[in-house]
Amino acid sequence: EPEVTQTPSHQVTQMGQEVILRCVPISNHLYFYWYRQILGQKVEFLVSFYNNEISEKSEIFDDQFSVERPDGSNFTLKIRSTKLEDSAMYFCASSALASQETQYFGPGTRLLVL
Amino acid sequence: GEDVEQSLFLSVREGDSSVINCTYTDSSSTYLYWYKQEPGAGLQLLTYIFSNMDMKQDQRLTVLLNKKDKHLSLRIADTQTGDSAIYFCAETPGGGADGLTFGKGTHLIIQP
Repeated sequence: EPEVTQTPSHQVTQMGQEVILRCVPISNHLYFYWYRQILGQKVEFLVSFYNNEISEKSEIFDDQFSVERPDGSNFTLKIRSTKLEDSAMYFCASSALASQETQYFGPGTRLLVL
Repeated sequence: GEDVEQSLFLSVREGDSSVINCTYTDSSSTYLYWYKQEPGAGLQLLTYIFSNMDMKQDQRLTVLLNKKDKHLSLRIADTQTGDSAIYFCAETPGGGADGLTFGKGTHLIIQP
């Protein structure tokens, strides 16, 4: 069964450093998403992406964040200058069509900012 | 803004039925989901229901939707130790690229 994959599974970085989290969505899906889950808290929506541009973004998704689909398979989330409070699990998700809203999630990348 | 509420813990005995409840505030919610998260793992889609339905059954899982009260429940029949996880309720109004709004998750604890 096709699945969303994410790399790395864990990343430790120093405050102020840039990180890039990578995702490979399900191959025939058209909508891509990033979410984060701070330890012990809710899963929060960050951004959605369709047709090579951002469709929606939350208040969390400020200028420190950017997303890109650099090729036909990868979908990335970049955090330019990480802060301690960026430590969280980051989930990528994808869904197929506008009429099919079910989002399938990857296993997540656990980011720790020191 | 939209909000989704769930109780934080539910403890049941192995073999009993578990009922996990969720309430939401967004009256334009079109799709409602249940996701399962095992320790250290990602979010696994369990089931979903459209707002024009009031019940959906899938093997041991039964989803009930009361749209008037904005109440969603997930019943797991014959609960097993492998069902021990956090269960998240989520909703979206639909429209293609909308993010999901999640509840805080209900920790399902199985007693032997």
